[in-house]
Amino acid sequence: DAGVIQSPRHEVTEMGQEVTLRCKPISGHNSLFWYRQTMMRGLELLIYFNNNVPIDDSGMPEDRFSAKMPNASFSTLKIQPSEPRDSAVYFCASSFGAGNSYNEQFFGPGTRLTVL
Amino acid sequence: QKEVEQNSGPLSVPEGAIASLNCTYSDRGSQSFFWYRQYSGKSPELIMSIYSNGDKEDGRFTAQLNKASQYVSLLIRDSQPSDSATYLCASYSGAGSYQLTFGKGTKLSVIP
Repeated sequence: DAGVIQSPRHEVTEMGQEVTLRCKPISGHNSLFWYRQTMMRGLELLIYFNNNVPIDDSGMPEDRFSAKMPNASFSTLKIQPSEPRDSAVYFCASSFGAGNSYNEQFFGPGTRLTVL
Repeated sequence: QKEVEQNSGPLSVPEGAIASLNCTYSDRGSQSFFWYRQYSGKSPELIMSIYSNGDKEDGRFTAQLNKASQYVSLLIRDSQPSDSATYLCASYSGAGSYQLTFGKGTKLSVIP
């Protein structure tokens, strides 16, 4: 079975440009999570979707960040405009069900973003 | 603030030895715990989950949970160089939680 799919795997852009990261969750999973990982802060949850609905976006750092999930098999994370401090690895993860404290989350390969 | 603490390491063990990775958590309401392995430049990979006090074994891996002491550990028996990675401990905080809180990870090096 295919795991979580993310694209692009690497993105290098210049400050001020728009960046769009994409994610396809595991088929049948109805919860999707976007994380950001940096050396300083570790893994941080940015936003959580359940059944395509954003449930918690309190981790989104600024209004420059937005995320959508138009259907059960696709989500995007957009940064506009991008800044050098957004440079990090962005992971998408999915799980079947959520909110019962036992759901196993499976991570995609990540997108390494570099903003110059 | 709910926290999961891990020693950042690096933890170095010789090949064939037992590697012991430890994690403490601050939220007494935490009910489930997960160990992820992350190779350099790769994504976290789930290797163990544990929900009840005691030990849970899966191949060379044993997870141990002590809720009274708020302590969870991962033992890797017969360590191999391929086990060299960063190991992340994570937990959900309380019933109905959807948010995994991750530790910063412990870097393990298995020396041939």
